[in-house]
Amino acid sequence: DTAVSQTPKYLVTQMGNDKSIKCEQNLGHDTMYWYKQDSKKFLKIMFSYNNKELIINETVPNRFSPKSPDKAHLNLHINSLELGDSAVYFCASSPPARGAEAFFGQGTRLTVV
Amino acid sequence: AQSVTQPDIHITVSEGASLELRCNYSYGATPYLFWYVQSPGQGLQLLLKYFSGDTLVQGIKGFEAEFKRSQSSFNLRKPSVHWSDAAEYFCAVGAIDGGATNKLIFGTGTLLAVQP
Repeated sequence: DTAVSQTPKYLVTQMGNDKSIKCEQNLGHDTMYWYKQDSKKFLKIMFSYNNKELIINETVPNRFSPKSPDKAHLNLHINSLELGDSAVYFCASSPPARGAEAFFGQGTRLTVV
Repeated sequence: AQSVTQPDIHITVSEGASLELRCNYSYGATPYLFWYVQSPGQGLQLLLKYFSGDTLVQGIKGFEAEFKRSQSSFNLRKPSVHWSDAAEYFCAVGAIDGGATNKLIFGTGTLLAVQP
């Protein structure tokens, strides 16, 4: 069973469109994250949620809106996509009191053309 | 501010040779330290972690890492590299700010190539 799964794996879309990425974890963790990996492979946190509550919003443009319908799901909606949004987006989850140890999904490669 | 430095962008080793990937961190308190590996087109897999206790930690796939507080380092080692170890390796520190404001701060990664 996949622990952290995200869909789609690949997403190609035109500038200005709106798109969503879905994430689900079956590990029973309370904390979920979105990380972004840019073209130089640099990884940086975007958001974290704890039990459906937004905890971290790392100065991400408000075109990005995460939503957590329950603690097993964390979706990412992106409005008005720009070329610079092209990246790999990773969903992750963490157990409590584990120093932010994260279990990652396979990533969604977003390409904006 | 918390940060992680991986000085080596790209390393090439011969299959069967030993490997050491360097990682230095900057963090005010006792750090939670991690090494992740990313194979092409894949997600990140946790190799090993250090929370406390024994400063030499063992991980999966024959990797180990040693925490040296005096040098603010957490270098990853493997005695004999296999071709399947070719991947990108990321060192990370867990930035803990109390409560649930936890996150990983990553280094820039080291790309490992393995020569036959």
